[in-house]
Amino acid sequence: GAGVSQSPSNKVTEKGKDVELRCDPISGHTALYWYRQSLGQGLEFLIYFQGNSAPDKSGLPSDRFSAERTGGSVSTLTIQRTQQEDSAVYLCASSGGEQNYEQYFGPGTRLTVT
Amino acid sequence: LAKTTQPISMDSYEGQEVNITCSHNNIATNDYITWYQQFPSQGPRFIIQGYKTKVTNEVASLFIPADRKSSTLSLPRVSLSDTAVYYCLVGDNTDKLIFGTGTRLQVFP
Repeated sequence: GAGVSQSPSNKVTEKGKDVELRCDPISGHTALYWYRQSLGQGLEFLIYFQGNSAPDKSGLPSDRFSAERTGGSVSTLTIQRTQQEDSAVYLCASSGGEQNYEQYFGPGTRLTVT
Repeated sequence: LAKTTQPISMDSYEGQEVNITCSHNNIATNDYITWYQQFPSQGPRFIIQGYKTKVTNEVASLFIPADRKSSTLSLPRVSLSDTAVYYCLVGDNTDKLIFGTGTRLQVFP
């Protein structure tokens, strides 16, 4: 079956522009997570959805970051007025299948802010 | 969420057994120990999870002592393709995963 997909795979944007990153979780997975990973670093948690609600937004680094999830499926992460320090790989994961603790990760979106 | 400590890097040679130990002194009663593997330019992939004693699957074994304050991921007879970053995580399966910097394993021919 299809795994987690993310788009775009790569995004280059100018400082100050807004970007939208998309995540399509595995069908039927109720939980969805966004992480980001800077070069050579571990993953940094951003936000967690259970269904359409976001019980944990504690990782969002600033109010320029927001995320939504509609229909309990697709999620978008929006970064407004991008800064160079936003450059990273943004990873999405979903869970909630039979082994409901296991998170399945997408390939990520590499964001470069110039 | 319990904090984990693991070595930054390890080197090995093909065919050897690799053991990566993770410390989690503040593990809670409801917490499980989970290991993920990440190859360059890919998202992490679940390897194994355990609560106590020993768990084995087709990829690895996980050894957890009685006090559960540490755990050891054992990779038998590693190959070049096992070169990756390995993350140890502790949590109760209902919350977000807290990834540290992981252990970068380099396997040499």
